[in-house]
Amino acid sequence: KQEVTQIPAALSVPEGENLVLNCSFTDSAIYNLQWFRQDPGKGLTSLLLIQSSQREQTSGRLNASLDKSSGRSTLYIAASQPGDSATYLCAVNFYQLIWGAGTKLIIKP
Amino acid sequence: EPEVTQTPSHQVTQMGQEVILRCVPISNHLYFYWYRQILGQKVEFLVSFYNNEISEKSEIFDDQFSVERPDGSNFTLKIRSTKLEDSAMYFCASSERTTQETQYFGPGTRLLVL
Repeated sequence: KQEVTQIPAALSVPEGENLVLNCSFTDSAIYNLQWFRQDPGKGLTSLLLIQSSQREQTSGRLNASLDKSSGRSTLYIAASQPGDSATYLCAVNFYQLIWGAGTKLIIKP
Repeated sequence: EPEVTQTPSHQVTQMGQEVILRCVPISNHLYFYWYRQILGQKVEFLVSFYNNEISEKSEIFDDQFSVERPDGSNFTLKIRSTKLEDSAMYFCASSERTTQETQYFGPGTRLLVL
């Protein structure tokens, strides 16, 4: 059974720092992996999608990597800003989206 | 930019009542999905829908749930006899051509069963 784990569960850093969020999955037979942002009580905003054949995707200050063989993905956020504060979720596409529990990120001004 | 919309944003119902949650997927998308997120828990897949039929469903999606595309734009999730444990945020999503593309999510419907 596919399991998705995100570490850390919460992270608080000062504004301007670069940071890395981690996502791991147990079965490498995935189609792709998607990173989402969720603001409190709100919907899910897609940030990046990495196909299983890709190693990396970038969008602005965000960079996501995928190492399918080791079952890991990272989301790198450069020059963090208070507006980046949210919960970040990863989901692996394994016939259906299987979700991690998220990393709650707080960026302190 | 096209987006997925959902109505209502909030719904309160009594246990045992039927509820219908509505979604309007992005207009040229072919795959539609329902997910739920119980407060404090992971997002869970419920069902995917393609070409007017269910393409995949999870073990959560039992006989009390049904989905329908009643017209060319709406996609609905019906819960026949609600239970307390159905209280959750329900998200609708759509993808353009396949299940392997980016899924775009609506803002969710928060369902509270009393």
